[in-house]
Amino acid sequence: AAGVIQSPRHLIKEKRETATLKCYPIPRHDTVYWYQQGPGQDPQFLISFYEKMQSDKGSIPDRFSAQQFSDYHSELNMSSLELGDSALYFCASSYPRITSGRAHEQFFGPGTRLTVL
Amino acid sequence: GDSVTQMEGPVTLSEEAFLTINCTYTATGYPSLFWYVQYPGEGLQLLLKATKADDKGSNKGFEATYRKETTSFHLEKGSVQVSDSAVYFCALGGHSGYSTLTFGKGTMLLVSP
Repeated sequence: AAGVIQSPRHLIKEKRETATLKCYPIPRHDTVYWYQQGPGQDPQFLISFYEKMQSDKGSIPDRFSAQQFSDYHSELNMSSLELGDSALYFCASSYPRITSGRAHEQFFGPGTRLTVL
Repeated sequence: GDSVTQMEGPVTLSEEAFLTINCTYTATGYPSLFWYVQYPGEGLQLLLKATKADDKGSNKGFEATYRKETTSFHLEKGSVQVSDSAVYFCALGGHSGYSTLTFGKGTMLLVSP
């Protein structure tokens, strides 16, 4: 079965650089979520999109922005990178909201490991 | 706000031992509850879920029961295998189902032969 695809899998950047992470949800899933997992930490919710509109916002820094495109893929743009941004960034997607009983399940991608030097 | 508390790890067991990982939650309303597993170097995989009180989620020999009276969702397995070694996250989602997940800190399980 198709899974959530994230690219790149690994990314190394210098401080103050920018980075763009991409997420391709499972086909026909309409909601995308972004999470950040620091070393040894639990995933923290950043932001989510439903039908190309932002639906929820968590602890996303102002330096970060994201959007969902017409094909439902999403991109997380990160600027003025800091050492503390080094983390695993997960994207997750979920079933269409008209799907009874399973819309609450989130399917996670393998993550992008960002290292800021 | 919503929160999830898990027992700290690592939990170290011998193969075929019984596993319990405790999870309690604080939330308004009636959240959905999940257990996710993260193998080394990999993403999060949904292990099991329960969407209402007294529901029992089960998968791959693991099970957990949604206990509203004790606000708990403890993970159990009768006989663990070396391949079960991973980090386990308890998580809750909102009643509407479309909300974000709030995770516990994770519990590392190490199973030795």
